[in-house]
Amino acid sequence: DTAVSQTPKYLVTQMGNDKSIKCEQNLGHDTMYWYKQDSKKFLKIMFSYNNKELIINETVPNRFSPKSPDKAHLNLHINSLELGDSAVYFCASSLGLAGMDQQFFGPGTRLTVL
Amino acid sequence: AQTVTQSQPEMSVQEAETVTLSCTYDTSENNYYLFWYKQPPSRQMILVIRQEAYKQQNATENRFSVNFQKAAKSFSLKISDSQLGDTAMYFCAFIGGGSNYKLTFGKGTLLTVNP
Repeated sequence: DTAVSQTPKYLVTQMGNDKSIKCEQNLGHDTMYWYKQDSKKFLKIMFSYNNKELIINETVPNRFSPKSPDKAHLNLHINSLELGDSAVYFCASSLGLAGMDQQFFGPGTRLTVL
Repeated sequence: AQTVTQSQPEMSVQEAETVTLSCTYDTSENNYYLFWYKQPPSRQMILVIRQEAYKQQNATENRFSVNFQKAAKSFSLKISDSQLGDTAMYFCAFIGGGSNYKLTFGKGTLLTVNP
């Protein structure tokens, strides 16, 4: 009964391809996030959705498009992959937007662009 | 904008000893929340401990405790009786209590517990 799950866990692809990462949470949370962890382990938020509405969009190239079909899912689609997109992508969820609401992280997806 | 600084890229400690990881932050907000997350080699992000800025009492979770100095904007993590399983990257993180919903992370400290 995984709380926040991501698929796939590993993704290896060629430059220029389009790929998607799926995220699902079974915690009944209203808010979901995508984070990127680069090769130096630095974690930075990319997007946040609350009740399927985009709340945070952090200067991310528009090749990245999040999609939230319902509150339990937040998928990340990446077009025209570049070498610099190689990273670990984490999905997370929280009850709401309040700072006190703990964010629960998924296991991460390691994306390697060749 | 908020910033979180972890000045120790790497630290090591002997099993059963105590170690303190440093974190400072910068914010103009009065109400906010601070966190320490642990990321072991499995790469799972695990919440270790949380502190609410308006609470003066330092948070404690078993062997983990914090020293929260609001005026100095300092939030250090103390791990007592270190165990081999504590070996991980530790991230300090900040989130505002107002309309800034972003969790901002420090660059992390790699802690190695030696047998």
